[in-house]
Amino acid sequence: DAKTTQPNSMESNEEEPVHLPCNHSTISGTDYIHWYRQLPSQGPEYVIHGLTSNVNNRMASLAIAEDRKSSTLILHRATLRDAAVYYCILRGLDNYGQNFVFGPGTRLSVLP
Amino acid sequence: NAGVMQNPRHLVRRRGQEARLRCSPMKGHSHVYWYRQLPEEGLKFMVYLQKENIIDESGMPKERFSAEFPKEGPSILRIQQVVRGDSAAYFCASSRDRAPPSEQYFGPGTRLTVT
Repeated sequence: DAKTTQPNSMESNEEEPVHLPCNHSTISGTDYIHWYRQLPSQGPEYVIHGLTSNVNNRMASLAIAEDRKSSTLILHRATLRDAAVYYCILRGLDNYGQNFVFGPGTRLSVLP
Repeated sequence: NAGVMQNPRHLVRRRGQEARLRCSPMKGHSHVYWYRQLPEEGLKFMVYLQKENIIDESGMPKERFSAEFPKEGPSILRIQQVVRGDSAAYFCASSRDRAPPSEQYFGPGTRLTVT
């Protein structure tokens, strides 16, 4: 799987939007972009995934650049419960084991 | 629909003992993955199993660690003769399908402490 680059940490104020960036300049045409998050002392939680088009679900939105070399996870109104480590992961058809490769992620702090 | 279940949630073992970690996948999921998270580190893949088969164990330490996913019952991660370095959180995930983009759903983890 291609490598992703994320900022180590970000801060946001409660009830404001948060844009979490992810660079993946070596993405291949068959790589899906997945986002997971891990709240303190919990297992990772699926957030959203996409391939080429922007995606929305009840948790977040995923904006994918036209050249697919970067993407942004958007939390529309951050809450204290959104404080977590957010992982951007690429996963393609050539990954035989189909496991996820987790990097260090972005630690999001939400200030009241 | 119950999520992925892991037990025990916390496990304390003395050096040299055996640790058995259990994972019940979500209903309808036949693919199970084990990950390990050492203190202050990221999650690392260990092993991927389907019912009765180990598909990929490239992340498993060569000695003392084994995993199974029998036809009936939960998946088991077994660590023999535990050492202090085995202290970590062990997470299990399951998925319905193998091919991307199938999401993996994670359990709450088992926190192993070796004294």
